[in-house]
Amino acid sequence: AQTVTQSQPEMSVQEAETVTLSCTYDTSESDYYLFWYKQPPSRQMILVIRQEAYKQQNATENRFSVNFQKAAKSFSLKISDSQLGDAAMYFCAFPPSRLNNDMRFGAGTRLTVKP
Amino acid sequence: DVKVTQSSRYLVKRTGEKVFLECVQDMDHENMFWYRQDPGLGLRLIYFSYDVKMKEKGDIPEGYSVSREKKERFSLILESASTNQTSMYLCASSSTGTARISPLHFGNGTRLTVT
Repeated sequence: AQTVTQSQPEMSVQEAETVTLSCTYDTSESDYYLFWYKQPPSRQMILVIRQEAYKQQNATENRFSVNFQKAAKSFSLKISDSQLGDAAMYFCAFPPSRLNNDMRFGAGTRLTVKP
Repeated sequence: DVKVTQSSRYLVKRTGEKVFLECVQDMDHENMFWYRQDPGLGLRLIYFSYDVKMKEKGDIPEGYSVSREKKERFSLILESASTNQTSMYLCASSSTGTARISPLHFGNGTRLTVT
C-alpha cells in the first residue's frame, strides 16, 4: 500500500528560529512527486513546496526547503526564520499513481510559532 | 488565481437526510477531488474525477456518491447522512496540462454536522 506518515502531531518553534517537519512515505514507484501543503487557521489549503523524485537537488522556496532522502523514503520540510504567519497545519502528500493525480496525505503536523 | 468555491461553509443536517455538497472551479481543470478531513487522520480521498461524467473511487467511498455533469462542477452526495459522516469536507481541483502531476487547488471547506 502507498502510505504517507507524519510522526509529529504537533511541533512548536520560536519566532525567527528553524524547525523541521518530518514525513516518510512508501511507494514502489521510482518516478514520483512529493508535496508539502499548509492549512492556516482560515482553512484553505495551499501548496508550500514540491519535489520531483528524479531530481537530486532539494527544492527550495524562499524560507522553505526540503530534505529529500529517496533511499530512506523521507521528505522533511525545513522552515527557516519562522514567522508568526507560519503557524498552521502542515501536510505531506504524494500521488501514488503514475497516471492520475489522486493525492494521498499524511495525518498532518500542527505547527505553533511562539513570539 | 484558481478559485475553487464550495457552496456552504457550514451545514447541519439530520440523520437520514440526503445531502449535496457542491464545488465549482473556474480554471477549466480536468481533475476534481473530494476529501474528508478528520483530526489525526489527515485528508482521506473519497472520490475523484478526471473528466466529465467520469469518476473513480478513492480510499473511503462508502456512503458517498458523486456527480460531474459539467467540467467545472463536482458534487458530493450523501444518500442518507449518518452521524459518522460529521466532518470537514474539502474539494480540490488540478490541471493535467504539461505536468503529469500538478498541485491541487483547494476550496475553503464545508464543515458538515449530522445530528
